[in-house]
Amino acid sequence: EAQVTQNPRYLITVTGKKLTVTCSQNMNHEYMSWYRQDPGLGLRQIYYSMNVEVTDKGDVPEGYKVSRKEKRNFPLILESPSPNQTSLYFCASSYGGDREKLFFGSGTQLSVL
Amino acid sequence: RKEVEQDPGPFNVPEGATVAFNCTYSNSASQSFFWYRQDCRKEPKLLMSVYSSGNEDGRFTAQLNRASQYISLLIRDSKLSDSATYLCVVSDNNDMRFGAGTRLTVKP
Repeated sequence: EAQVTQNPRYLITVTGKKLTVTCSQNMNHEYMSWYRQDPGLGLRQIYYSMNVEVTDKGDVPEGYKVSRKEKRNFPLILESPSPNQTSLYFCASSYGGDREKLFFGSGTQLSVL
Repeated sequence: RKEVEQDPGPFNVPEGATVAFNCTYSNSASQSFFWYRQDCRKEPKLLMSVYSSGNEDGRFTAQLNRASQYISLLIRDSKLSDSATYLCVVSDNNDMRFGAGTRLTVKP
C-alpha cells in the first residue's frame, strides 16, 4: 500500500531533550516536506527536500533540523525542544513534477513541557 | 494580512443541503490551486485541483476567479461523511500556502 509512515503518533517530552520524528515513504517520491499545524493557522512549512542530499528551509525552520540521506526517509530533529514547538506535525511527499499533490503522514502530536 | 484566508466557520448544515466555501489569496502570481480535506486531527488529503475553467467531481465543484483572487468549493447534497475541515491551498510553483481551513458539520 502506498503510504507515508510517520512515527511516533504522540510524543510528550521536556524542554531541551533531543528528539527525532521519523518519516518514510514507499512511493519513490522525490519531494518530501515537514509542516506544523497550529490552531487558527494554516499548515506552515518547516523544511523541504527536492531529492537525496538536497534540503532547504521553509517558513519556520528555527529550532529544527532535517536530513535526506535516502530517498525514502526524511527525519525531523529537534535538538533542544522548547514549549513553543508544541504542535501537530505532518510529513508529506509528492512526485517532483507534481509537487502540490501531497501525500501526508498521519501526524505527530508533540507536547514539550 | 494572511496570504490565504478562509472563513473558519463552523458551517453547520443539514444533510442534503448545498454549501459553499470561499478562499481568498494575496499572491497574484499564484498558478495552482487545490482543495484538501482534513478530518479532525488527521492528515490532510487532496480533494481536488482547481482549474481555470472550473471543474466538477461528483457533488463537488471548484471554481477559480483570478481577477478577484479567490477560489470556491461548492458541495451539493451534503452527506454526514462530508463533515471535515476544508483547506484551501495556493501555489506559485515555488511556494505552497495553506489556508487555516473551514470547518463543516453536516447534521442529520
